[in-house]
This record gives sequence, C-alpha cells and structure tokens, in this order.
Amino acid sequence: EDQVTQSPEALRLQEGESSSLNCSYTVSGLRGLFWYRQDPGKGPEFLFTLYSAGEEKEKERLKATLTKKESFLHITAPKPEDSATYLCAVQGPGANSKLTFGKGITLSVRP
Amino acid sequence: DADVTQTPRNRITKTGKRIMLECSQTKGHDRMYWYRQDPGLGLRLIYYSFDVKDINKGEISDGYSVSRQAQAKFSLSLESAIPNQTALYFCATSDEFETSGYTFGSGTRLTVV
Repeated sequence: EDQVTQSPEALRLQEGESSSLNCSYTVSGLRGLFWYRQDPGKGPEFLFTLYSAGEEKEKERLKATLTKKESFLHITAPKPEDSATYLCAVQGPGANSKLTFGKGITLSVRP
Repeated sequence: DADVTQTPRNRITKTGKRIMLECSQTKGHDRMYWYRQDPGLGLRLIYYSFDVKDINKGEISDGYSVSRQAQAKFSLSLESAIPNQTALYFCATSDEFETSGYTFGSGTRLTVV
C-alpha cells in the first residue's frame, strides 16, 4: 500500500526566512510525485510533478527536489502570499494507478 | 469559467436525506474523481471513472454512489446522509498521462445535521 507522510504538520516563518517542507513516501514503483498548493476554501492547485531521483523543478520562490525516499519543497525568501497548505501525492506503477495524498503542511508566513 | 465546476458550494442537510453533488469539467478529459477531505485525514478517494462506461470504488465508497452522465459530468450521491459524512468534497479530472496532475474543483462543503 502506498504511503505518504508530510512533515512538519504546520510551519510558521517570518517573511524572508527560507525553509523546506518534507514529503516521505513508500511506493512499490514511483510513477510520479506531485506537489499541490491549497488555499483555504479552495481546491488543490497543481505545482509540480517529479518522476525520478535527482530531478528538480522550480517556480518562482519554490523548488521541488526528489530522492528515492522523499521529496522536499524548498521555499526561498517566502512572502505572506505563500501562506497555504502544501500537499504531496504519489502515484504508483501502472497506467491506471491513482494518487495517494499526504495530510498536508500548513505554512504561515508572517510579514 | 472554471475548468471544474462543483455545485452546490455549500449544503446543510438532515440525517437520512438523499443528496446529490454535481461536477462538470471543460478540460475534455476522460478521467474524473471524487475525494473527501477531513481535518487531519487528508484527501481520500471515494469513486473514480476513467471513461463514461467505467466506474470504480475508491478507498471509502461505503454510503456513496456515483453517476457518469457524460464525459464532462460526474455526480456523487449520498443515499441516506449521516453526520460523519460531514466534510469538504472535491471533484477532479485528469488526462490519461496525468503529467499535469489532477485539476480540482473548488469543493462542496457538506454538513449533515
């Protein structure tokens, strides 16, 4: 059974204070690892897909990295508008496998 | 217009009532999903459909049913609502390659009293 554990559950940062969010996973054969952002009262919004260890992707202040056991979402010099819940999900092997989501990390960035 | 539209946005219903949540998408994708989100439990898959003639149970399908009326429409029904079905419900869609992940709707907040 695929499993995703995200840590910490909540993170409070000062504006400009860089940090990382962790996603540890167990899957029989990783087809893809996905990061989403979710604002209160809204649906998750797709950020990145990573496919193999060593892969990195960037978007503005966010950079996602992947190893064989975990993924990190690095936030550089965050701003208050980066405050949200960040979800990680994995997809196992096979064309018809579904995403398994972690519980999310709630990030608060104080001005 | 949103790529995935869910109606209603909010609903309060009584225990034992039948209720339907509706979802429509304009992405032209074949695959659609229903999830529920509870505090501390994350997103859990209720049902999914890979095309109009395909319906599959997810990890928590008991007490729910679905209907795929067309490629663009996927409805979730609670036959007899109970209080522990109070949650935030999301519909999502994807293409078969899923390289861009799932596109989610804005959700329906359901309260069963």
